[in-house]
Amino acid sequence: ETGVTQTPRHLVMGMTNKKSLKCEQHLGHNAMYWYKQSAKKPLELMFVYSLEERVENNSVPSRFSPECPNSSHLFLHLHTLQPEDSALYLCASSQAGGPYTGELFFGEGSRLTVL
Amino acid sequence: GESVGLHLPTLSVQEGDNSIINCAYSNSASDYFIWYKQESGKGPQFIIDIRSNMDKRQGQRVTVLLNKTVKHLSLQIAATQPGDSAVYFCAENIAGAQKLVFGQGTRLTINP
Repeated sequence: ETGVTQTPRHLVMGMTNKKSLKCEQHLGHNAMYWYKQSAKKPLELMFVYSLEERVENNSVPSRFSPECPNSSHLFLHLHTLQPEDSALYLCASSQAGGPYTGELFFGEGSRLTVL
Repeated sequence: GESVGLHLPTLSVQEGDNSIINCAYSNSASDYFIWYKQESGKGPQFIIDIRSNMDKRQGQRVTVLLNKTVKHLSLQIAATQPGDSAVYFCAENIAGAQKLVFGQGTRLTINP
């Protein structure tokens, strides 16, 4: 079992649908992240949760809504998305604290296609 | 501003040769750097890291070099193997911030 598990691995949705991406980490970490990976673009940080509190929202449109019910689970709720939102959404976790962010452990991503 | 970039988007090397992947960063406040490897269909995986108080760090077949004077980071892979084919990202940690800033990535392909 991998340390960070993401479901679903693939998702196709229409612009009027509502769906959610799920992430679960089994590493005992206290920080979780959502990144967006588009073709030919750097990984874009979307949200950071540390100790279940959102500490960063990187100017992400409100059609993306994160939820962190506990330190092991992270959701990304999606509604009224646009085709340009099609991308690989990566979840990561780390042990936050100290002077360094610490190594990020990534899941394998959820490939989202918006029609 | 915050930016981490890579000099070349693609790199092809012969199997068995050494590979060097370069990365430039612009934030002098960055204190920690990581190289990640991303294989097709997978999430990025940690390769090696280096703190800003170091110039060089070696792992198994990999070496990271940091030149703070010119804000340059490189990843050297010795005796490149087919399994090294992937996209390689550098990332920098901005001191005091709880996030990593990633570069665009370099695709490494291995010629038999």
